[in-house]
Amino acid sequence: DAKTTQPPSMDCAEGRAANLPCNHSTISGNEYVYWYRQIHSQGPQYIIHGLKNNETNEMASLIITEDRKSSTLILPHATLRDTAVYYCIVNTGRRALTFGSGTRLQVQP
Amino acid sequence: DTGVSQDPRHKITKRGQNVTFRCDPISEHNRLYWYRQTLGQGPEFLTYFQNEAQLEKSRLLSDRFSAERPKGSFSTLEIQRTEQGDSAMYLCASSPRDTLNTEAFFGQGTRLTVV
Repeated sequence: DAKTTQPPSMDCAEGRAANLPCNHSTISGNEYVYWYRQIHSQGPQYIIHGLKNNETNEMASLIITEDRKSSTLILPHATLRDTAVYYCIVNTGRRALTFGSGTRLQVQP
Repeated sequence: DTGVSQDPRHKITKRGQNVTFRCDPISEHNRLYWYRQTLGQGPEFLTYFQNEAQLEKSRLLSDRFSAERPKGSFSTLEIQRTEQGDSAMYLCASSPRDTLNTEAFFGQGTRLTVV
């Protein structure tokens, strides 16, 4: 699986958009970009995934650059409950997910 | 459907003892994964099953570790002769049958403390 690079930590004000970047410059054509998050003491939770096109669901939006070498997860209106570690993972969808260290997002009141 | 269930949630054991954890995946999910997570790190892949077949094992899965998934339903992870370095959260996840675009659903984990 391609390697991903994420900032170790970020802060965001409550109610504002949280934009979490991820670099995956070695991504292959058949690899998807997945985002998971892990709230303290819980198992990871799926957020969203995409291949080429931007994706949106009830939790977040995923913006993938045209060259697919980077992506941004957007939480449009962050709340305190969004404080978590966010993992960007590149995977074909046919193998087990490989987690890195992720980005620790702290939403400030 | 109550999600992925893991039992026990917490386990304290003495070094050298054997421990066994159980995972009940979401019903009809063919794939089942085991991960280990230590403090401050992301989950590390251990092994995964498709139905009852164990398809992949990480090099992290030493000879003291064994996983089974009889009849392709629940799974067990056994650690023999536990060591202090085995102290971690053990996470189980499941996903539907082998198709693209599938998300994995994780359980709450079993926290193992070896004293």
